[in-house]
Amino acid sequence: DAGITQSPRHKVTETGTPVTLRCHQTENHRYMYWYRQDPGHGLRLIHYSYGVKDTDKGEVSDGYSVSRSKTEDFLLTLESATSSQTSVYFCAISESTFYGYTFGSGTRLTVV
Amino acid sequence: AQSVTQLDSQVPVFEEAPVELRCNYSSSVSVYLFWYVQYPNQGLQLLLKYLSGSTLVESINGFEAEFNKSQTSFHLRKPSVHISDTAEYFCAVSEGGQGAQKLVFGQGTRLTINP
Repeated sequence: DAGITQSPRHKVTETGTPVTLRCHQTENHRYMYWYRQDPGHGLRLIHYSYGVKDTDKGEVSDGYSVSRSKTEDFLLTLESATSSQTSVYFCAISESTFYGYTFGSGTRLTVV
Repeated sequence: AQSVTQLDSQVPVFEEAPVELRCNYSSSVSVYLFWYVQYPNQGLQLLLKYLSGSTLVESINGFEAEFNKSQTSFHLRKPSVHISDTAEYFCAVSEGGQGAQKLVFGQGTRLTINP
């Protein structure tokens, strides 16, 4: 999607290793979000940010941490990956309550 | 906590037939409602939204949704579907007001169009 990119697009990692996913935006939006998508669960919020260095937990934050040192970058870190964290991860941005989200293309993470 | 229920996980229909994808939410407070569409191997795209005003909202590609406060529903409809509408559809809700717009999503409905 224009204005928001996620990297990497695909990753396979081993159980117990740390993993960092990156979300980069060029829209200068204030709010950024990380969701995970799993069959039968839809999308569930992991963490979100409402400004530089301002972050908060979502519904499924255990095992994840985030950082936002610049407006344009929002990093999601799995401290010690587990098989239950195998999922598709989506980053989203929003300017305000009224406009909805713009989603990235997703990162497919497999933990073996 | 808010929750969203999409009543059908899969909906198969024939091309040019009408379709309704059902969505119910739990919150009784003022809410904003959204439908997103996800094509294969892509991210989600905003299809339409209800913020306030007219309870019937429309998208540019022929979908419409009606906000029903008494039934806490926001069903998505299209009078005549096309093969290109094959995708997964997600209903989402957030509480109104300022601040971070944390969306709660339903489980998704996979719409399959058969020729």
